[in-house]
Amino acid sequence: AQKVTQAQTEISVVEKEDVTLDCVYETRDTTYYLFWYKQPPSGELVFLIRRNSFDEQNEISGRYSWNFQKSTSSFNFTITASQVVDSAVYFCALSGRFGNEKLTFGTGTRLTIIP
Amino acid sequence: EPEVTQTPSHQVTQMGQEVILRCVPISNHLYFYWYRQILGQKVEFLVSFYNNEISEKSEIFDDQFSVERPDGSNFTLKIRSTKLEDSAMYFCASSDRGSGANVLTFGAGSRLTVL
Repeated sequence: AQKVTQAQTEISVVEKEDVTLDCVYETRDTTYYLFWYKQPPSGELVFLIRRNSFDEQNEISGRYSWNFQKSTSSFNFTITASQVVDSAVYFCALSGRFGNEKLTFGTGTRLTIIP
Repeated sequence: EPEVTQTPSHQVTQMGQEVILRCVPISNHLYFYWYRQILGQKVEFLVSFYNNEISEKSEIFDDQFSVERPDGSNFTLKIRSTKLEDSAMYFCASSDRGSGANVLTFGAGSRLTVL
């Protein structure tokens, strides 16, 4: 069975601070995919990143960066120089090795950026 | 940018009534999904649909639920006899297998309130 744990339920930081959202996963698959989705107050789910299990390179996209460590089964997400628009619920998710398998989501981390 | 469209955005219904939630996936996508999110909780997989049949469903997706692709564009979720615990946000999603694993594009959601 697959499982995603986001231990941080809520985080508040002051604008311009850096913040890291933790994600730990469990799977028996040797090939799998990890995702982050953002859910802003408007409610939709916005895709941020996909990473496959063979690619452990860290990725940076603007103020966002992701740290994937297979050894600790973690896929953490860092926002640098946070902005108020980053306030949202962030979900980490996991899927199996085939292209059409379901996503297993974590419980989400509610991030509030204080102006 | 292509998007997944869901209607209605919000529906209020009485317990025991039938509800149909509608979705128009991205036109060249082949895989369709329904997920739900009970208020404040994680996003949960309901069902996946490919080639005009259900490819996988969760324990939540019992006999009260059904999905259909009645024409070439719509993808519907029907709840036959709603219960209070069906109150949730329902997300439709679609994906293109050719683009790799499960980069789901989600709709904005349909909020169902059962009274």
